[in-house]
Amino acid sequence: EIVMTQSPATLSVSPGERATLSCRASQNIDYDLAWYQQKPGQAPRRLIYGASTRATGIPARFSGSGSGTEFTLTISSLQSEDFAVYYCQQYKKWPLYSFGQGTKVEI
Amino acid sequence: QVELVQSGAALKKPGASVRVSCKASGYTITSHGITWVRQAPGQGLEWMGWISPYNGDTKFAQKYQGRVTLTTDTSTNTVYMEVRSLRSDDTAVYFCARSVGGSCDYWGQGTLVTVSS
Repeated sequence: EIVMTQSPATLSVSPGERATLSCRASQNIDYDLAWYQQKPGQAPRRLIYGASTRATGIPARFSGSGSGTEFTLTISSLQSEDFAVYYCQQYKKWPLYSFGQGTKVEI
Repeated sequence: QVELVQSGAALKKPGASVRVSCKASGYTITSHGITWVRQAPGQGLEWMGWISPYNGDTKFAQKYQGRVTLTTDTSTNTVYMEVRSLRSDDTAVYFCARSVGGSCDYWGQGTLVTVSS
């Protein structure tokens, strides 16, 4: 089983600041990584897939980078609507496409 | 537009079974897999399993193997998830999501399953 570890657990930032979220895989997953945003009471929303490809309709302030075991999600200038929990997910290896434990981005 | 609509909340007793439906619209259901993810109260996302509506192939996380069944009714564009032998720690919101290349691009609204005596 591939274990995904996200850091930090909570990130406190101010609107307009840059946020950098990290995700580490316990083994090589190449570029098979997605990032999701989840707000309270809502389903997750895919932001990034293939480690760095923005999903349809996702603003350019969201960017993903990395490969292998180390990945980063960057939000260049935080807007009020970006305060949420962010999850990474690997889809390299069946049968468990595991998620990280999440990073909460708070004001 | 692509939409996944799940069945409503359920309250079950320990030991019972629950079936959650996920009705797809806006695309041909056999063209993409459906993934199931659950989220216990205040917790993170947990990948449970996947089904190919095209051929019925399924994959499960080991902890759900044998206790969860996924099926498809292509005539109604609906995928079903059944969880048997429910326990209190199965209380969670269950999501279905369309799987494209492994990641999930469209999600259902979630179904709260509460297991309580």
